[in-house]
Amino acid sequence: GDSVTQMEGPVTLSEEAFLTINCTYTATGYPSLFWYVQYPGEGLQLLLKATKADDKGSNKGFEATYRKETTSFHLEKGSVQVSDSAVYFCALRSMNRDDKIIFGKGTRLHILP
Amino acid sequence: NAGVTQTPKFQVLKTGQSMTLQCAQDMNHEYMSWYRQDPGMGLRLIHYSVGAGITDQGEVPNGYNVSRSTTEDFPLRLLSAAPSQTSVYFCASSLYRGSGYTFGSGTRLTVV
Repeated sequence: GDSVTQMEGPVTLSEEAFLTINCTYTATGYPSLFWYVQYPGEGLQLLLKATKADDKGSNKGFEATYRKETTSFHLEKGSVQVSDSAVYFCALRSMNRDDKIIFGKGTRLHILP
Repeated sequence: NAGVTQTPKFQVLKTGQSMTLQCAQDMNHEYMSWYRQDPGMGLRLIHYSVGAGITDQGEVPNGYNVSRSTTEDFPLRLLSAAPSQTSVYFCASSLYRGSGYTFGSGTRLTVV
């Protein structure tokens, strides 16, 4: 079945460092891909998405490119801030009839001032 | 404000009690789902609905029931609460298949 694998955390970086959180997926067809962010005590918020191969989603300085050949959707940011500290979830929306969104287990990010 | 509203935000139940977690959205979204979030487990799908009158099971449906009598509401019922159901529950909705979900702020449930 469809699945999402993302790097385990926690990831700890200094402010202004470059961020990469790896995400790979297994799915039939061409699923939509997403990154969600969860701040402490809150629900998940959609950060960015891509719906077809080679699409680049971007928002708030974060970017991710839909790579069909490597089945990846890695999240990147050039210069992180303390306010980026959160848990990040990679997800795909299955194109099967069951129409599920499948999440990775999340990566906790700590940014040190 | 438009969005997904979950009530209550916090709840403590005794083992064996039943309750309903409420979820309502005012965005006219067809797709709605319930997830539970547990440490180290990420989010797991409990039940989902692709429209009013249509529901189906996710990966962890046991002990939970849902119904979808209107487009707006998607309540989750715990039939007989167990400590294993202690979790944070999120309701989510989306307009169409390729769009991202909008999540509610969650219900933190403790079963003692």
